[in-house]
Amino acid sequence: GQQLNQSPQSMFIQEGEDVSMNCTSSSIFNTWLWYKQDPGEGPVLLIALYKAGELTSNGRLTAQFGITRKDSFLNISASIPSDVGIYFCAGQLTNSGYALNFGKGTSLLVTP
Amino acid sequence: NAGVMQNPRHLVRRRGQEARLRCSPMKGHSHVYWYRQLPEEGLKFMVYLQKENIIDESGMPKERFSAEFPKEGPSILRIQQVVRGDSAAYFCASSPYRELLFFGSGTQLSVL
Repeated sequence: GQQLNQSPQSMFIQEGEDVSMNCTSSSIFNTWLWYKQDPGEGPVLLIALYKAGELTSNGRLTAQFGITRKDSFLNISASIPSDVGIYFCAGQLTNSGYALNFGKGTSLLVTP
Repeated sequence: NAGVMQNPRHLVRRRGQEARLRCSPMKGHSHVYWYRQLPEEGLKFMVYLQKENIIDESGMPKERFSAEFPKEGPSILRIQQVVRGDSAAYFCASSPYRELLFFGSGTQLSVL
């Protein structure tokens, strides 16, 4: 499958700070998804994006589907300790069938 | 409304034994996916099934691995003659339609 480039690899921030992470691909996607994974658990869906240029919010989270269809970003505003975890982007290629391709994740640590 | 249920959570096998991983999708979901995750890696697609049909198995190793989703009962991922390299977390996801995946808590397979 197509490998997504997710950055940064890890972030260490203070509570209350805003966070931004992004994903890029050399291929066009028609769907972008953002997941959060806690240790020992499965990924939990945060935001789904279906159209180029789409900007969607879920509480303190905001994600955008890049206009070129090759990138997406996720912002978290006013971070809190429970935001700690690994954030994964995932995309579906237009002609790949049904497989979601995942990035390697951004590990977020938040200190009180 | 129960989420995706996977069992067992942890499975220990010796080399050469068989591993059976079970997944019950969310109520009303007819699409099931299996993914594998190695430490500090993203999830890798293995197989996509609908009831009684394998739709896409492009991510499945050609030998020793098989999957089914019978008309009644959970989806099963079966690994025959396990080797140390099969050690990983295996996640099942279900979906009401193709892109929107909801994941279970995973089965951690350890091969001794």
